[in-house]
Amino acid sequence: DIVMTQSPDSLTVSLGERATINCKSSQSLFFTSNNKNYLGWFQQRPGQPPKLLISWASIRESGVPDRFSGSGSGTDFTLTITSVQAEDAAIYYCQHFYDALGAFGQGTKVEIK
Amino acid sequence: EVQLVQSGAEVKKPGESLKISCKASGYYFNAYWIAWVRQMPGKGLEWMGVIFPDDFDTRYSPSFQGQVTISADNSINTAYLQWSSLKASDTAIYFCARGGGPGRDNYEPNTYWGQGALVTVSS
Repeated sequence: DIVMTQSPDSLTVSLGERATINCKSSQSLFFTSNNKNYLGWFQQRPGQPPKLLISWASIRESGVPDRFSGSGSGTDFTLTITSVQAEDAAIYYCQHFYDALGAFGQGTKVEIK
Repeated sequence: EVQLVQSGAEVKKPGESLKISCKASGYYFNAYWIAWVRQMPGKGLEWMGVIFPDDFDTRYSPSFQGQVTISADNSINTAYLQWSSLKASDTAIYFCARGGGPGRDNYEPNTYWGQGALVTVSS
């Protein structure tokens, strides 16, 4: 089974600063047949279901602010929040969907200073 | 509009059985995987397993194999998560989410989620 590992577990960022979250998978999530990475990023606020922010490693979902961006390929991925806003305080998860049994990273808690 | 509506909160005693539901609408239910995800109090998201309603192909993460049963009734567009004997450690919020499709080999991210169902197991 594919294991997802995020870093750091938490980070505190000042308003307007950049936040960077890393995600590593135990095997490549890149499908050569369609040149896609089967990796998504989610945001979860307290009491809410997760919200998909980024799919296919770098495709922003409709309505997601452009300060959120995803990058990476194969086994190493990054979620970047440029110019963090107060409403970005949440827990962020990466997840693979390379097969039917998706797995999540352990989550990264983002707090705003 | 795709919607997943879950059954309500449950309070149960250890040893009791429970079946919670996830009713889908707005898409062809049979053609997409449905996943169940656990979130224990103050903890992260854990992928439990999935079912493909067209042929009831069901797969479990190793941690949940034998601990729960995932099923579906495609005549009423509803997926289920079931326990035969609850433990206190089953206390959690359980989410359903639409997985890949259309078709069993078309994997895609979990764009659509149910609202979550809180299960509390306490004597």
